[in-house]
Amino acid sequence: AQRVTQPEKLLSVFKGAPVELKCNYSYSGSPELFWYVQYSRQRLQLLLRHISRESIKGFTADLNKGETSFHLKKPFAQEEDSAMYYCALRLQGAQKLVFGQGTRLTINP
Amino acid sequence: EAQVTQNPRYLITVTGKKLTVTCSQNMNHEYMSWYRQDPGLGLRQIYYSMNVEVTDKGDVPEGYKVSRKEKRNFPLILESPSPNQTSLYFCASSFSGFSLLYFGEGSWLTVV
Repeated sequence: AQRVTQPEKLLSVFKGAPVELKCNYSYSGSPELFWYVQYSRQRLQLLLRHISRESIKGFTADLNKGETSFHLKKPFAQEEDSAMYYCALRLQGAQKLVFGQGTRLTINP
Repeated sequence: EAQVTQNPRYLITVTGKKLTVTCSQNMNHEYMSWYRQDPGLGLRQIYYSMNVEVTDKGDVPEGYKVSRKEKRNFPLILESPSPNQTSLYFCASSFSGFSLLYFGEGSWLTVV
């Protein structure tokens, strides 16, 4: 079965430190990968997708097909980055996203 | 404002008492879906709809029904709720397939 694994349920870093949220997937085809974020008291929203290869709010994510990973990175964490982050995979032609378990990121002042 | 609206946001109900969670979007999206979120399991798709009168099962459809009589609405129906349906439910819509999802704020449902 296709799976998305986020190995860290909780991640805590200090403001200004680099942050990396890990995401690994298992899928033999061509995946579409996404990061969704949920800030406190807000709805889940798209942060970025691998196809666009853009940086949003200082975050980037590179698809590594060899390692089947799509880690989310930011060089200097800010307090407003504290949120719940979900990695998601869309299979070719599928009518759904498969989500990871989520990682709660806390940025300490 | 473009959004997906769910109601109720919070509900405590008893086993077996039918309930409906409504979902409405004002973006003229064709695709809509329901997810449930449980600790350690992430979000799992319950049902989805590709257009009016077109619905299909997701990964965890047991105990749920949906309907899509109008493009903007996609209610989730629990005919006979059970405690294992206690969860946080999200409705989502999308214009172009199921990649770029717009989510509702979520509905906390507790079945006792």
